[in-house]
Amino acid sequence: GAVVSQHPSRVICKSGTSVKIECRSLDFQATTMFWYRQFPKQSLMLMATSNEGSKATYEQGVEKDKFLINHASLTLSTLTVTSAHPEDSSFYICSASSDLWPGQPQHFGDGTRLSIL
Amino acid sequence: DAKTTQPPSMDCAEGRAANLPCNHSTISGNEYVYWYRQIHSQGPQYIIHGLKNNETNEMASLIITEDRKSSTLILPHATLRDTAVYYCIVRIQGAQKLVFGQGTRLTINP
Repeated sequence: GAVVSQHPSRVICKSGTSVKIECRSLDFQATTMFWYRQFPKQSLMLMATSNEGSKATYEQGVEKDKFLINHASLTLSTLTVTSAHPEDSSFYICSASSDLWPGQPQHFGDGTRLSIL
Repeated sequence: DAKTTQPPSMDCAEGRAANLPCNHSTISGNEYVYWYRQIHSQGPQYIIHGLKNNETNEMASLIITEDRKSSTLILPHATLRDTAVYYCIVRIQGAQKLVFGQGTRLTINP
């Protein structure tokens, strides 16, 4: 099946640091990628939707200047958490989908656990 | 908001069939029923999806009622590795966002 790779799997850094998370679709062209955040014992919350070559669409309450999303190619999207603070510590998960294959289900990466000290 | 209702938790004995229910009484004619599961500290894993016919694959079976207002995911022979949170989601096909509810925490007991 389709594989989505997310990197890094875990990152620990100091408050004020910016952190970049990569999401790659390994065997299909992802016209759309989604970024989710999950706090402990909670469900996944969609942060933003990114379409290749265009600006991301952010969900209500998500700061676009803090969570920078780039989707420059059909196989790569990045999420940059700028000036991260302890409250940004969470599990970040990406998923990829393709308008070219509407019957193909959305596939997820294995997530990035971000810990801000 | 999620448009499905699932029990918060269920238990099942190893080797038995696990039947996970989902209510989606407001489902539209062009919306599919998708099932994903999330094992602790991993990303969600796709299991199965269907529109109105029952579906089966190597992982599970999906039974959708005739009025499409509810469905049941069946894991025919549950193993300890099936312990996870199972999410039932309805949406149209294509590159559309998935809205996750709270899911059902399924625990398989030895």
